[in-house]
Amino acid sequence: GAVVSQHPSWVICKSGTSVKIECRSLDFQATTMFWYRQFPKQSLMLMATSNEGSKATYEQGVEKDKFLINHASLTLSTLTVTSAHPEDSSFYICSAPRTGTIQETQYFGPGTRLLVL
Amino acid sequence: AQKVTQAQTEISVVEKEDVTLDCVYETRDTTYYLFWYKQPPSGELVFLIRRNSFDEQNEISGRYSWNFQKSTSSFNFTITASQVVDSAVYFCALSEAPQAAGNKLTFGGGTRVLVKP
Repeated sequence: GAVVSQHPSWVICKSGTSVKIECRSLDFQATTMFWYRQFPKQSLMLMATSNEGSKATYEQGVEKDKFLINHASLTLSTLTVTSAHPEDSSFYICSAPRTGTIQETQYFGPGTRLLVL
Repeated sequence: AQKVTQAQTEISVVEKEDVTLDCVYETRDTTYYLFWYKQPPSGELVFLIRRNSFDEQNEISGRYSWNFQKSTSSFNFTITASQVVDSAVYFCALSEAPQAAGNKLTFGGGTRVLVKP
């Protein structure tokens, strides 16, 4: 079945550094991908919609200059957390919708745990 | 704006007991999709079910069953004869239509289910 991968699965970095997270659709193309953030014991909150070939659409309250999204190809979207701070520590999950499926409509990646020291 | 409410934050049961998770949603759309996802401790979201707003037929899949009532804007989920492996956080989610695959999801706060042996 369809699979979405994320890399890295976890990362620890120092405050002030930038971290790039990759989201790949492995056996299908996705013109749109979504990035969610989940703080401990909380729900998933949509951060932005990544659009292949155009700018990402950010949800209200999400800083686009801090969370850079690039959807360079039909199978890859990247989220870069710039100048990371401890409050950016979270679980980041991407999803990619696959049109035409009967049952499942969106495939989620396994997530990336970010810890900023 | 869309909203999903899961009033139960945590439910604890003993193995073999049934457990019902409540989900109430709000949307102005006449056509929409509802989902349930399971998130085990590993963090990866596991798709359980998708239901569109025109299909109010209840569904049973093994030990899982879903009760969709449009009149009360509810989409409840029941696990029958719970098992320890059912311990996880369960999320109810809502997406706009008509392209259920391509639209972002609004998640409820999640219900943590703990099944004790």
